[in-house]
Amino acid sequence: ELKVEQNPLFLSMQEGKNYTIYCNYSTTSDRLYWYRQDPGKSLESLFVLLSNGAVKQEGRLMASLDTKARLSTLHITAAVHDLSATYFCAVALMNYGGSQGNLIFGKGTKLSVKP
Amino acid sequence: EPEVTQTPSHQVTQMGQEVILRCVPISNHLYFYWYRQILGQKVEFLVSFYNNEISEKSEIFDDQFSVERPDGSNFTLKIRSTKLEDSAMYFCASSEGAGVTYGYTFGSGTRLTVV
Repeated sequence: ELKVEQNPLFLSMQEGKNYTIYCNYSTTSDRLYWYRQDPGKSLESLFVLLSNGAVKQEGRLMASLDTKARLSTLHITAAVHDLSATYFCAVALMNYGGSQGNLIFGKGTKLSVKP
Repeated sequence: EPEVTQTPSHQVTQMGQEVILRCVPISNHLYFYWYRQILGQKVEFLVSFYNNEISEKSEIFDDQFSVERPDGSNFTLKIRSTKLEDSAMYFCASSEGAGVTYGYTFGSGTRLTVV
C-alpha cells in the first residue's frame, strides 16, 4: 500500500523567512504533484514532477524530486502572507496497463505566514 | 482556462436520503475521478472512470456509491443512502489522457452535509 507522509503538518513562519516542506512516499512512483488549497476552496495545481532530479520553480516556491530517496521537497523562499494555505503533495499510482492512476495524498501542511 | 464545474456547491441532506453530485469535466478530457475530503483531513481517492466504466475504486467506494456519465458531458456521483460519515467535500477531477505527462484538474467541490 502506498503511503505518503508530509511534514511538518503545521508551519507558522514569519514573512521573509525560508522553509522546506517534506514529502516522503513508500513505494516507487514516477509522478509527484504539489497542490495548494485555500480554506473551503479547491485544489490548485502547483507542480508536477516527473523524473528523478526534477526541479521546478514558480515565484517563491521551488519543488524537487528524488525518486531514489522517495522524497520531494517544497521550498519556500522569503515567505509572504499570500502564501498562507494548506499544501498537499500527492503521488500517482500507476494501475495495471500503465494508464492514468489515482492520486494518494499526504495529510497536508497548513502554512501560516505572519507579518 | 478550461474548468471542471461541480454542482451544487453545497448540499444538505437527511441521513438515509439519496444524493447525486454532478460534475462537468473539461470537454476533451477522457479520465474522470471523484475524491473526498472530510473536514480538516486529507484528500482521499474514491473512484476513477474511463471509457464508460470504472477503472479503479477505493475501499471507501462501497455499494452505496455509484458513478455515471449519462450524456457524454456530465459525470455524476450517487450516494444511495447517506450516512453521517459521508459528510465531506467531494471533488471531481479530470485528466486529458493517460501517461505521465498529464496532470489533473480539480473542480471547486461540493460540500455535502448529512444531518
